[in-house]
Amino acid sequence: GAVVSQHPSWVICKSGTSVKIECRSLDFQATTMFWYRQFPKQSLMLMATSNEGSKATYEQGVEKDKFLINHASLTLSTLTVTSAHPEDSSFYICSATIAYGANVLTFGAGSRLTVL
Amino acid sequence: AQKITQTQPGMFVQEKEAVTLDCTYDTSDPSYGLFWYKQPSSGEMIFLIYQGSYDQQNATEGRYSLNFQKARKSANLVISASQLGDSAMYFCAMREEPGNQFYFGTGTSLTVIP
Repeated sequence: GAVVSQHPSWVICKSGTSVKIECRSLDFQATTMFWYRQFPKQSLMLMATSNEGSKATYEQGVEKDKFLINHASLTLSTLTVTSAHPEDSSFYICSATIAYGANVLTFGAGSRLTVL
Repeated sequence: AQKITQTQPGMFVQEKEAVTLDCTYDTSDPSYGLFWYKQPSSGEMIFLIYQGSYDQQNATEGRYSLNFQKARKSANLVISASQLGDSAMYFCAMREEPGNQFYFGTGTSLTVIP
């Protein structure tokens, strides 16, 4: 089955630094990847939709300059949290579909970011 | 309006018993897909089951079945013979077709009691 690998699983960083999270589709080409943020005991909040070779589409209220998304290839999308602050601490999870309208959304294992 | 509503923040079930997790949805599109995902404490989202809006029969996957009532716009997940490992958060989701965006509910925390 389709597998999405997300790295790192855990990251702790100092306030003001940038953190990059990678999301890779291991055995399929992901035309579209999604980035979600999840606060404790809450649902997933869609941050942006990333299409290979084009700019990401951000949801309302998500700062494009703070959360940089790059989808340079059909198997890799990255989320960079720039100038991280404690309020950016959260669980970030990526997901991918094989093709537009594909039935199943396959998720990575998530990345827990803690900003000190 | 919320696309997906899960009204049960938390549920308890005795081991080996069946449990139903509620989900209602809101859409005017004739074509859509309904999904259930499980999220254990480790955080990963695990796909459980899918139901298409045009599917005539309720979807089943092992101990999971989806009670699809189209007129009521409900897509309840039934877990039979609960196991301790079923303790997790469960999210209902919908994708309107054609389209690529998934809408998630707020989740239900299920605890299986030995």
